[in-house]
Amino acid sequence: DVKVTQSSRYLVKRTGEKVFLECVQDMDHENMFWYRQDPGLGLRLIYFSYDVKMKEKGDIPEGYSVSREKKERFSLILESASTNQTSMYLCATQFRGNQPQHFGDGTRLSIL
Amino acid sequence: DQQVKQNSPSLSVQEGRISILNCDYTNSMFDYFLWYKKYPAEGPTFLISISSIKDKNEDGRFTVFLNKSAKHLSLHIVPSQPGDSAVYFCAASDQAGTALIFGKGTTLSVSS
Repeated sequence: DVKVTQSSRYLVKRTGEKVFLECVQDMDHENMFWYRQDPGLGLRLIYFSYDVKMKEKGDIPEGYSVSREKKERFSLILESASTNQTSMYLCATQFRGNQPQHFGDGTRLSIL
Repeated sequence: DQQVKQNSPSLSVQEGRISILNCDYTNSMFDYFLWYKKYPAEGPTFLISISSIKDKNEDGRFTVFLNKSAKHLSLHIVPSQPGDSAVYFCAASDQAGTALIFGKGTTLSVSS
């Protein structure tokens, strides 16, 4: 079974803080993704990575950056957290294109 | 502009009956379609997928139908069970098969 581990289930931060969300996978998958899920909006793609040090913007990259220094780890960074970034953040991995994505259990982030 | 639409926010079904969840898409470049199930406080779980070269795919109680001319897909669950109560997301990707576009989800409630 694919295991996708997100470092925190719940996180509370303050406006203006730099926030790091970590995701680790154990299946040597090529592709990794960060989504956010908001009520009534479904899942929206923030960034994805198809290889170490490679990244592509998704639909809503503003206010976020990512880092993939090792194949198994993909980090999402909120450079200066704002209240509108309060959300559920979901990491996913994919062996390669046209394969299902596998999700972690999510991090519920609250920005106060 | 929503490229993947799930027009029914909720669906209620009795145990043992058929559940039919619907999804429409607008982008004719979409080539690969998936259904995910999500329980509260967990990440989405992959259920079933279909590529555009097929019009039907079955896995146990779950069947996905694809009508390319209508740009419509549906998920049939037979028979429905109370444990199927969850939010169901439809998703699609283009030929590269990496980034997924998700619908907003349909909440299925199966009563015993």
